[in-house]
Amino acid sequence: EPEVTQTPSHQVTQMGQEVILRCVPISNHLYFYWYRQILGQKVEFLVSFYNNEISEKSEIFDDQFSVERPDGSNFTLKIRSTKLEDSAMYFCASMGRTNEKLFFGSGTQLSVL
Amino acid sequence: GESVGLHLPTLSVQEGDNSIINCAYSNSASDYFIWYKQESGKGPQFIIDIRSNMDKRQGQRVTVLLNKTVKHLSLQIAATQPGDSAVYFCAENPSPGYGQNFVFGPGTRLSVLP
Repeated sequence: EPEVTQTPSHQVTQMGQEVILRCVPISNHLYFYWYRQILGQKVEFLVSFYNNEISEKSEIFDDQFSVERPDGSNFTLKIRSTKLEDSAMYFCASMGRTNEKLFFGSGTQLSVL
Repeated sequence: GESVGLHLPTLSVQEGDNSIINCAYSNSASDYFIWYKQESGKGPQFIIDIRSNMDKRQGQRVTVLLNKTVKHLSLQIAATQPGDSAVYFCAENPSPGYGQNFVFGPGTRLSVLP
């Protein structure tokens, strides 16, 4: 069964450093997402991406965040200067067509020290 | 603002009993809902979905009920098993056709007792 894959599974970084979280969505999917989950809390929307541009973003997704689809398979989330409060599990998700099932990867646990 | 919430943050059931997990949503424009299961350290796993033109949908041991009048969603798990222990989230799509942003509820932890 096709799945969304994310790397790395764990990322530890120093405050102020840049991190790039990587995702390979399901191959024929068109809509891509990043969500995050702080330990013990609910899953929060960050950004959606379609047709090579951001279609929606939340208040969390400030100027420190950016997304990119550098080629036909990868989808990345960059945090330019990490803060302690960026520590969370980051989930990538993809959807084949509009208003269909949203499939999640297994996440990248980001720890900012 | 628009939100999705759950009535019960934790639920403990005996193995073999049926479980019912509830969810309230506030956006009457939402037309698509998904229940996810999340095990510790893993990503949300799709369980079952329902569209607003239906009020009930059944899967294998799971049933989702949608009451649009009171904006309420529930997940029923029949003959609950130890492997069902997880956190369950409901998610709604409040802006179908644009942005496709799913809003998640806070989650209910289901514990299955032996």
